[in-house]
Amino acid sequence: SQQGEEDPQALSIQEGENATMNCSYKTSINNLQWYRQNSGRGLVHLILIRSNEREKHSGRLRVTLDTSKKSSSLLITASRAADTASYFCATAPISGGYNKLIFGAGTRLAVHP
Amino acid sequence: DVKVTQSSRYLVKRTGEKVFLECVQDMDHENMFWYRQDPGLGLRLIYFSYDVKMKEKGDIPEGYSVSREKKERFSLILESASTNQTSMYLCAGRRQASGNQPQHFGDGTRLSIL
Repeated sequence: SQQGEEDPQALSIQEGENATMNCSYKTSINNLQWYRQNSGRGLVHLILIRSNEREKHSGRLRVTLDTSKKSSSLLITASRAADTASYFCATAPISGGYNKLIFGAGTRLAVHP
Repeated sequence: DVKVTQSSRYLVKRTGEKVFLECVQDMDHENMFWYRQDPGLGLRLIYFSYDVKMKEKGDIPEGYSVSREKKERFSLILESASTNQTSMYLCAGRRQASGNQPQHFGDGTRLSIL
């Protein structure tokens, strides 16, 4: 079974709006990571948040982590058409050391001009 | 910038062929990974390598093998290709130095087995 599960599976918004994607996981983790994938391309790393961190920012991105609820959220503020992509959360479970990442099925974000 | 290069973006092979997918990284990263990506399933780990000549099975190693003779190169081998191996294959590299490091991905190889 998948460790990380994103919600929603698909999200459609207008440019300038905020986009929020959620991720839930099942076991204790070392860190949680968010990646973006443009259509037909590889994954690009966005943010890594460690298990002892609660919030992290990078430009228009804000990631939160609640280890008590085993959940994370990715907020993209003031979205742009170029943000259209699939977004994946990936967890590094403690049982797997730091080498293993378990990916969810992703959220497909469409930002309309 | 980090760079992970996969030798082919698209590849078409026939059932029963032996298929080689090549991945090269220029980051001097110790760890390298092969995933396959299928719709609705996310990425699934096939094999990974801690270092040269070191390898470990991931979640779905059946039907695959790997080779890492040099630090910068990690090859995925489909011993006898089957149609259920049609998929997007992604290679990644990661620095071993400290635990909390991201993975850096290539652009993927879309493999079709006919």
